[in-house]
Amino acid sequence: GAVVSQHPSRVICKSGTSVKIECRSLDFQATTMFWYRQFPKQSLMLMATSNEGSKATYEQGVEKDKFLINHASLTLSTLTVTSAHPEDSSFYICSAESGTGANTEAFFGQGTRLTVV
Amino acid sequence: QKEVEQDPGPLSVPEGAIVSLNCTYSNSAFQYFMWYRQYSRKGPELLMYTYSSGNKEDGRFTAQVDKSSKYISLFIRDSQPSDSATYLCAMRGSGYSTLTFGKGTMLLVSP
Repeated sequence: GAVVSQHPSRVICKSGTSVKIECRSLDFQATTMFWYRQFPKQSLMLMATSNEGSKATYEQGVEKDKFLINHASLTLSTLTVTSAHPEDSSFYICSAESGTGANTEAFFGQGTRLTVV
Repeated sequence: QKEVEQDPGPLSVPEGAIVSLNCTYSNSAFQYFMWYRQYSRKGPELLMYTYSSGNKEDGRFTAQVDKSSKYISLFIRDSQPSDSATYLCAMRGSGYSTLTFGKGTMLLVSP
């Protein structure tokens, strides 16, 4: 299947600093990528839909000024957690879709474990 | 009622057992159904993808969809300790890009 690479896999940062997470589709182009957040023993919660060349669409309750999303090319989307606080500590996962119509499949990155201290 | 219901488990079985994982859903607009396997601290890995009622088999895995009952299942035959993971069902409607996930069922296969 298609490969989505997410980097870094783990990051520890100090409270008040910003962290950037990258999501790359390695062998296909993705006009749309998705960012999820997952708490321990919980399901994936969609944070935002990242659209290449336009603004991201955020889910209700997600602060767009805190979670900055940039989708500058067809293979790269970035999520920046600004002014991070301990409550932002979580597992962040991106996904990209390959194919069209009924043959569309979603592939996920390896995830990034963010710890804010 | 949540759109997708999935028992979080954990489900503990001995090696070699047949495992049945299930999800129910309420939105009749869902047309595409997926099962993902997620190991601890890793991203989900697509296992099975189907968009019609009936069974789809791939090796030891069989995905079953019953749209009339709004019920999907994943069967794992001859389960192995390496199958120990969280299994997430996911689904979406036609024309939509966002997936709706179940909470995931944690499976533990003991040797």
